[in-house]
Amino acid sequence: AQSVTQLGSHVSVSEGALVLLRCNYSSSVPPYLFWYVQYPNQGLQLLLKYTSAATLVKGINGFEAEFKKSETSFHLTKPSAHMSDAAEYFCAVSDTPGSGYSTLTFGKGTMLLVSP
Amino acid sequence: KAGVTQTPRYLIKTRGQQVTLSCSPISGHRSVSWYQQTPGQGLQFLFEYFSETQRNKGNFPGRFSGRQFSNSRSEMNVSTLELGDSALYLCASSLAPVSNEQFFGPGTRLTVL
Repeated sequence: AQSVTQLGSHVSVSEGALVLLRCNYSSSVPPYLFWYVQYPNQGLQLLLKYTSAATLVKGINGFEAEFKKSETSFHLTKPSAHMSDAAEYFCAVSDTPGSGYSTLTFGKGTMLLVSP
Repeated sequence: KAGVTQTPRYLIKTRGQQVTLSCSPISGHRSVSWYQQTPGQGLQFLFEYFSETQRNKGNFPGRFSGRQFSNSRSEMNVSTLELGDSALYLCASSLAPVSNEQFFGPGTRLTVL
């Protein structure tokens, strides 16, 4: 079974600093991986996804993530944090990669706090 | 193009009652999935429907059920509500099997008193 571990339930950065949110996965097959963001009282918005193409994936709002098979990691980064990035971020793995269908297993989430 | 819509947005029920939540997917999407989000358990998969058939089901008791209609709209029902059913229920649709990217609605916040 697939699983996802997000290290750190809360991450605090200053505006303009590097954002690094960690995600490690466990999968018995080559995984499809996703990062979602959730703002208060809203649903989830897809930031980026890895589906076995390029290992460095660029997403919306300046975020990117690198798939590292040897480390079973898919960490999310952004060079310079903005106040508007404050939200909760979820890493997810697809339970049925390559099938065209997608049941997602989510990590516990990381709350990103951005201070001025 | 309109996104995924969920109704109602907020709901308050008492223990023992039942509740029905509705989800309208993005036009053209035939796959609808439901997730439960709680502070303690996080995001957990409930079930997925495709063309009116349940394709997959998560590890939830039989009190949780769902269905999908011919227009791809979906409903989920929870019977005999318990306090622990208080959660944000999220619906997502996708263009499966062409694409597995899921688009989420804003959720229905259910409070059980």
